[in-house]
Amino acid sequence: EDQVTQSPEALRLQEGESSSLNCSYTVSGLRGLFWYRQDPGKGPEFLFTLYSAGEEKEKERLKATLTKKESFLHITAPKPEDSATYLCAVQAGGGYNKLIFGAGTRLAVHP
Amino acid sequence: NAGVTQTPKFRILKIGQSMTLQCTQDMNHNYMYWYRQDPGMGLKLIYYSVGAGITDKGEVPNGYNVSRSTTEDFPLRLELAAPSQTSVYFCASTSRDSPLHFGNGTRLTVT
Repeated sequence: EDQVTQSPEALRLQEGESSSLNCSYTVSGLRGLFWYRQDPGKGPEFLFTLYSAGEEKEKERLKATLTKKESFLHITAPKPEDSATYLCAVQAGGGYNKLIFGAGTRLAVHP
Repeated sequence: NAGVTQTPKFRILKIGQSMTLQCTQDMNHNYMYWYRQDPGMGLKLIYYSVGAGITDKGEVPNGYNVSRSTTEDFPLRLELAAPSQTSVYFCASTSRDSPLHFGNGTRLTVT
């Protein structure tokens, strides 16, 4: 069965304390892996798409990497404004009707 | 561009009542989706549409109906509200090969 698991469920960091969020997946025929950021009371906002193992994408303090079993979202020197829930989703073939979302990691960055 | 707009933002329904959640997008996207988000769970697909006049069931369609008479609008109908439909509902849209754009959600409580 296709599945996406994110860990940890919640993470508390001090400002400047780098860390990584994990998204592990089991899916047949990976078409793409997506990272989204969700602020309280808002819809998910797109961050990255990764398509193949070894691929990396960067945006400001965030870097996403992909292996055949998992993806990491590395956060370098986080700031309080990076506090949000980070969602991972895997496209298991076909169109976005085959998108499987993880439950997310709630990140809190304290000054 | 307003992007994806959802109304209302909040709604409380009594068991057995009906309502329509509105979703409109101004990006001329062919593909539109309805998701529900429950605490501790990933987003689950309710219904989707690949163009005006074409809709199909997602993973959790029971208790819901949709229509797509125009490219812009994709309303979600709840006919007989049940407590299990208490959730946050997100509408999303996309064109081929681009990431999903989400609205800011409707928080629905059924009591």
